[in-house]
Amino acid sequence: KNEVEQSPQNLTAQEGEFITINCSYSVGISALHWLQQHPGGGIVSLFMLSSGKKKHGRLIATINIQEKHSSLHITASHPRDSAVYICAAETSGSRLTFGEGTQLTVNP
Amino acid sequence: EADIYQTPRYLVIGTGKKITLECSQTMGHDKMYWYQQDPGMELHLIHYSYGVNSTEKGDLSSESTVSRIRTEHFPLTLESARPSHTSQYLCASSGRDRGIGEQFFGPGTRLTVL
Repeated sequence: KNEVEQSPQNLTAQEGEFITINCSYSVGISALHWLQQHPGGGIVSLFMLSSGKKKHGRLIATINIQEKHSSLHITASHPRDSAVYICAAETSGSRLTFGEGTQLTVNP
Repeated sequence: EADIYQTPRYLVIGTGKKITLECSQTMGHDKMYWYQQDPGMELHLIHYSYGVNSTEKGDLSSESTVSRIRTEHFPLTLESARPSHTSQYLCASSGRDRGIGEQFFGPGTRLTVL
């Protein structure tokens, strides 16, 4: 069992739909990171959070420390949101342990 | 846009060759990382550095080595490339004093070893 697990692995949505990607982790963390990887391979950091909720534009990230669970939500999804979304747990020693990623496809 | 650069972007090389993948950042970040990612798979940490003259091995067993002589530069070297080294290599940096902070990723190097 991986220390960081994401679901679903693949997600297809229609433009405008509300999307949720889930991340569960089994290790103690100091922070939880959400990253976005585009088809060309480039990776961008979306959020880093250790409690509560953060919002940036149409993206919202939440974390429940007690349940060791985080979610990434996308409101009013758009085809340009199509990418791989990666959850990563920051553990002691300033290192990240990555989930396998969720491939999101948003159709027009 | 992140100021972190990797060269080359693509490299095809024969077995047994020595190669160096370059990574530079202009943000003054102390922490730098090398990750390996096979297609469709998760990233694995292979090396990291907390500052000049500091290097550590990551989670994935790797036959590569790194050096950190200057803050801005973190090259990765494979002494003898093998087909099993075929992968994408991503460099990242972060500047927060405690913990990792936001990671900035380079565009990656796609390595193919024939």
